[in-house]
Amino acid sequence: GDSVTQMEGPVTLSEEAFLTINCTYTATGYPSLFWYVQYPGEGLQLLLKATKADDKGSNKGFEATYRKETTSFHLEKGSVQVSDSAVYFCAPDFNTGNQFYFGTGTSLTVIP
Amino acid sequence: AAGVIQSPRHLIKEKRETATLKCYPIPRHDTVYWYQQGPGQDPQFLISFYEKMQSDKGSIPDRFSAQQFSDYHSELNMSSLELGDSALYFCASSPPRASSYNEQFFGPGTRLTVL
Repeated sequence: GDSVTQMEGPVTLSEEAFLTINCTYTATGYPSLFWYVQYPGEGLQLLLKATKADDKGSNKGFEATYRKETTSFHLEKGSVQVSDSAVYFCAPDFNTGNQFYFGTGTSLTVIP
Repeated sequence: AAGVIQSPRHLIKEKRETATLKCYPIPRHDTVYWYQQGPGQDPQFLISFYEKMQSDKGSIPDRFSAQQFSDYHSELNMSSLELGDSALYFCASSPPRASSYNEQFFGPGTRLTVL
């Protein structure tokens, strides 16, 4: 069936380090792919999205490319900042209903 | 721009009490979703409504019920509260599906604490 697997955390990086958070999915169809971010004490916010193969979503220096061949949507940022400390959720829309299936969430802490 | 509004933002109840959470979607959004996020856990889908009808059901306990009203706002009713119901409850809304994907806009959440 449809499912999502996200890299477990927590992840701790120094400021300006390179970030990768892995996300892979299993789907019978072609999902749309989303990354959501949850800052401490706040709600979920859409970070970026990609709706078809080879699309690249980007926002706030974060990028993720929809890789159909590897069924992946890894989140990357070249140089993280302290303000990027948050929990990141990979959330595919499998188009089988109206709900999102959230990954387990990856907690990122960036230290100065 | 208008966002999803949830009320109350914080709620404290005792075991076996009832609670009602409200969600006001972004204007012209026709679909509302409810999620539960326990401490340190990922959001779990509870239930969704499209045009005032239940459209999808997830891991919502039988003690909970929800509905969407004619003005598209939604209420999540929770009865016989248990300690394990303490969580952050998110509401999200999405516009009429005019494309192949379904972007959801989340509210700030209601933090429910059951004592």
